[in-house]
Amino acid sequence: DAGVTQSPTHLIKTRGQQVTLRCSPKSGHDTVSWYQQALGQGPQFIFQYYEEEERQRGNFPDRFSGHQFPNYSSELNVNALLLGDSALYLCASSSGTGGQETQYFGPGTRLLVL
Amino acid sequence: AQKVTQAQTEISVVEKEDVTLDCVYETRDTTYYLFWYKQPPSGELVFLIRRNSFDEQNEISGRYSWNFQKSTSSFNFTITASQVVDSAVYFCALRHRYNFNKFYFGSGTKLNVKP
Repeated sequence: DAGVTQSPTHLIKTRGQQVTLRCSPKSGHDTVSWYQQALGQGPQFIFQYYEEEERQRGNFPDRFSGHQFPNYSSELNVNALLLGDSALYLCASSSGTGGQETQYFGPGTRLLVL
Repeated sequence: AQKVTQAQTEISVVEKEDVTLDCVYETRDTTYYLFWYKQPPSGELVFLIRRNSFDEQNEISGRYSWNFQKSTSSFNFTITASQVVDSAVYFCALRHRYNFNKFYFGSGTKLNVKP
């Protein structure tokens, strides 16, 4: 049973560019959440997707957008990259949004913005 | 407001020592969940435990144990007879029951276990 997978593992971009990160949830999971983890910090919630819609959003600007596909996989897009966007981006999946489920995290994508 | 505080930034112990990682949380909600995750250098967050706010029983799983005290808003994690493989960053997290899986993480405690 494959866990949560993310691609790419590492990415280097320059300021002003756009980036797309991808996530495939754990088998049987239909909810995907994205987190940004800056160096030395805990993960910060970006947003969550369920039934192909953004259900909840953290304190992140509109430069951060996402999408969920019918197969439950998800993309995180970041436009007009800033140096401060350099971080580990984690995807987490769970089943449903009832609140009792445990999230399982992927290995993350390390983004470096130069 | 929801907040999780892990005051210990980094802890170093020698193998076989016991170590306790502290977690203090703030919430106005009466129903919530608390979690501990382990993050090895590879980056993936590994789920360790989930506790419900209405269940204050302490839990033991092998060398791991958790002490949940609502009166002091703490959810501490103890590793008994630590091993080098326990070296990682450990995160405590809080989630409201109906908050669609939105987690509030602490800043993490880096545990170094030396041989």
